[in-house]
Amino acid sequence: SQKIEQNSEALNIQEGKTATLTCNYTNYSPAYLQWYRQDPGRGPVFLLLIRENEKEKRKERLKVTFDTTLKQSLFHITASQPADSATYLCANKIGGTSYGKLTFGQGTILTVHP
Amino acid sequence: SAVISQKPSRDICQRGTSLTIQCQVDSQVTMMFWYRQQPGQSLTLIATANQGSEATYESGFVIDKFPISRPNLTFSTLTVSNMSPEDSSIYLCSVGLTYEQYFGPGTRLTVT
Repeated sequence: SQKIEQNSEALNIQEGKTATLTCNYTNYSPAYLQWYRQDPGRGPVFLLLIRENEKEKRKERLKVTFDTTLKQSLFHITASQPADSATYLCANKIGGTSYGKLTFGQGTILTVHP
Repeated sequence: SAVISQKPSRDICQRGTSLTIQCQVDSQVTMMFWYRQQPGQSLTLIATANQGSEATYESGFVIDKFPISRPNLTFSTLTVSNMSPEDSSIYLCSVGLTYEQYFGPGTRLTVT
């Protein structure tokens, strides 16, 4: 079955450093991967999407890479700030059906220390 | 973008009762999705709700336990029936616009 996994449950870094989060997938080749941010008591918020034919995507301090050989996506937050502290989820659509059906990784809790 | 509201935001319910969660979207959408997020876990899709047809449930979820209504293009309800403590979770509704998914704030359900 399709699996999407985030290696780290938690990541602690100092303010100003780059946070790097990992998302691995097995048993399938996703057409794209998505990254979301979730704050406590809130629903996930869409951040970035990267397609299988794209190596890298950027948005302000965020960067996502997609390595289909390694079956891995990396999510980077540069010049991290305490306000970046949240749970970050990677996700992909289930099977080949509608784009709204997503399967999520278990999430990585990022804490940025001042 | 889409703005999604849910009611109630939280509730504490007794075992064996049912709770209906409402989801309202500020624009018309074809498909709405219901997810569950158990404590400390990630999101799991419960079902897809299309207007005018029966909801499609994912493996492990059944209509008798989680009946869904979709009376129009901006509204849906999810009922959690005959609740047990294992149903304690956050329930989120979601809509998709192209590839982006938008989520409601969630309903935090505690079953005692």
